[in-house]
Amino acid sequence: DAMVIQNPRYQVTQFGKPVTLSCSQTLNHNVMYWYQQKSSQAPKLLFHYYDKDFNNEADTPDNFQSRRPNTSFCFLDIRSPGLGDAAMYLCATSRGAGTGGSGANVLTFGAGSRLTVL
Amino acid sequence: AQTVTQSQPEMSVQEAETVTLSCTYDTSESDYYLFWYKQPPSRQMILVIRQEAYKQQNATENRFSVNFQKAAKSFSLKISDSQLGDAAMYFCAYRSRVTGNQFYFGTGTSLTVIP
Repeated sequence: DAMVIQNPRYQVTQFGKPVTLSCSQTLNHNVMYWYQQKSSQAPKLLFHYYDKDFNNEADTPDNFQSRRPNTSFCFLDIRSPGLGDAAMYLCATSRGAGTGGSGANVLTFGAGSRLTVL
Repeated sequence: AQTVTQSQPEMSVQEAETVTLSCTYDTSESDYYLFWYKQPPSRQMILVIRQEAYKQQNATENRFSVNFQKAAKSFSLKISDSQLGDAAMYFCAYRSRVTGNQFYFGTGTSLTVIP
């Protein structure tokens, strides 16, 4: 089945120690997103890629970076995690705005990576 | 940016009964999509139902249906014959059909199903 896979599902890191979360997709969607979700809150968009074009949200801290080496993979790098960065990180994919076809424009999520910062 | 508002942080429903979750949104666009997503505790976010703004007919998916009022910018979700497995956080979301790739989420409604 086509899907969005996130690794690792659980990540524990120490304060200030860099961490990388990965996301892969078999849907061949051209847009990939990273969301941060804290307990019982709405997902907060950090950034997204439209193909290779990177789109950063204005309020995303510089501590968060992303890479998309190819269509299938996208990485979230947290350079110096603080206690406030402990959260669930959700990767999602979609087709680009204006793209036709059945199921177009639906956001498909991975299972998430839960980050704990000690 | 568009805003999506869910005014009910928590709702509860008796098993087999019907419940309606509310959502309003603000946009100046005429062509867009609206969604309801479900996130069970510690589980993956999944799509429940989708509505295209240019379609007047309300979307339905088995026990789930929406009441889409475009002029009022209202998009409520009705769950009929509620089941224990419906217990989850429900998020309303908006996306422009043409401009931009962002999905805008409401703050969510936590639904409890009482046996």
